[in-house]
Amino acid sequence: DVKVTQSSRYLVKRTGEKVFLECVQDMDHENMFWYRQDPGLGLRLIYFSYDVKMKEKGDIPEGYSVSREKKERFSLILESASTNQTSMYLCASSAPAGSSYEQYFGPGTRLTVT
Amino acid sequence: GQSLEQPSEVTAVEGAIVQINCTYQTSGFYGLSWYQQHDGGAPTFLSYNALDGLEETGRFSSFLSRSDSYGYLLLQELQMKDSASYFCAVRQAGTALIFGKGTTLSVSS
Repeated sequence: DVKVTQSSRYLVKRTGEKVFLECVQDMDHENMFWYRQDPGLGLRLIYFSYDVKMKEKGDIPEGYSVSREKKERFSLILESASTNQTSMYLCASSAPAGSSYEQYFGPGTRLTVT
Repeated sequence: GQSLEQPSEVTAVEGAIVQINCTYQTSGFYGLSWYQQHDGGAPTFLSYNALDGLEETGRFSSFLSRSDSYGYLLLQELQMKDSASYFCAVRQAGTALIFGKGTTLSVSS
């Protein structure tokens, strides 16, 4: 069974802290994605990766960076957390381009920055 | 710019049929996906249309008209468990999807 896991369900951090959100998938998928979800705004793409060590900016990359050192793991980094980064963060993965319309999501990390 | 428009809320009663529309304006288009998300849960894939027409999967169907840049998700024989948010998403070239803002469906008895 397909599985995407995220390191924490809930996280509380202080303004200015460096924050790491980890995502692991066990489906040998090439593509991995980070979204943030806010009420009324839907899912907005932060970054995605289509291969190890490759990354592409999504719609809202400012204030974030990512790392993909291994195929199964995709990390989202908030270099200096700010209160406007309080949100639900969702990781997803998908198979190669022909099947990329079907993404598998992790349970999400609700991050609060105080 | 790129945009996907869908209603923010829809209400219906058990056993009814409901249609959630999605219109899109994107620079590229390969197909339209639909996802369901229950409160507190992760989005899950429901269906995908790359070509015009209707795709049926059990109680759910999805339709696409590429010429009209329009699609819809049709839910039949509604059940309480169908209460959730529904997102349409456009697949452009490459691997990323652009999601709509979601439609909250409330099913009452």
